Amino acid sequence: GAVVSQHPSRVICKSGTSVKIECRSLDFQATTMFWYRQFPKQSLMLMATSNEGSKATYEQGVEKDKFLINHASLTLSTLTVTSAHPEDSSFYICSARDDIGGQLVPGYTFGSGTRLTVV
Amino acid sequence: GENVEQHPSTLSVQEGDSAVIKCTYSDSASNYFPWYKQELGKRPQLIIDIRSNVGEKKDQRIAVTLNKTAKHFSLHITETQPEDSAVYFCAASTRGRDDKIIFGKGTRLHILP
Repeated sequence: GAVVSQHPSRVICKSGTSVKIECRSLDFQATTMFWYRQFPKQSLMLMATSNEGSKATYEQGVEKDKFLINHASLTLSTLTVTSAHPEDSSFYICSARDDIGGQLVPGYTFGSGTRLTVV
Repeated sequence: GENVEQHPSTLSVQEGDSAVIKCTYSDSASNYFPWYKQELGKRPQLIIDIRSNVGEKKDQRIAVTLNKTAKHFSLHITETQPEDSAVYFCAASTRGRDDKIIFGKGTRLHILP
């Protein structure tokens, strides 16, 4: 089945630095990827929709200059948390729409997530 | 935009009994309703889904029902087992439009021995 690889799985960074998270679709082309943030014991909150070759669409309340998204190819989307602060510490997870041969197949495949800790 | 409400937030069930989790959604254009199981620190795993042209779907011990008129859908787990303990999320999506999935707040299911 479709696999999404997300790296790194864990990262600790200092306040003020930037962190890049990568999300790759391994065996399918993902024209659309989604980035979520999940705080402990809470739900997955959609941050933005990443479209290959165009600007990402951000959800209300998400700062686009702080969470930079690049979707330069059909298999790679990146999320960069810029000038990270402790309150940005969270579990970040991407997902990709499964679209094989133009037919949408059930489910959205999730990456394994990245636990970001800002100290 | 879409808003998904999920209840209960926590559910404890005796092993072997059934568990039911209920969700409502607000956007009548939503046409795809997946359910995910998430274990601690891991990615959500799709366990079952239903499209808006179907009222019920079953896969072994898991079933989902959808009432489009009332805009609510439910997950039913029968003969619960210890490995069913996890957090379950319902979600709604408008596939073919913006495709984004909006999640409910989750239900922490405890299976009691």
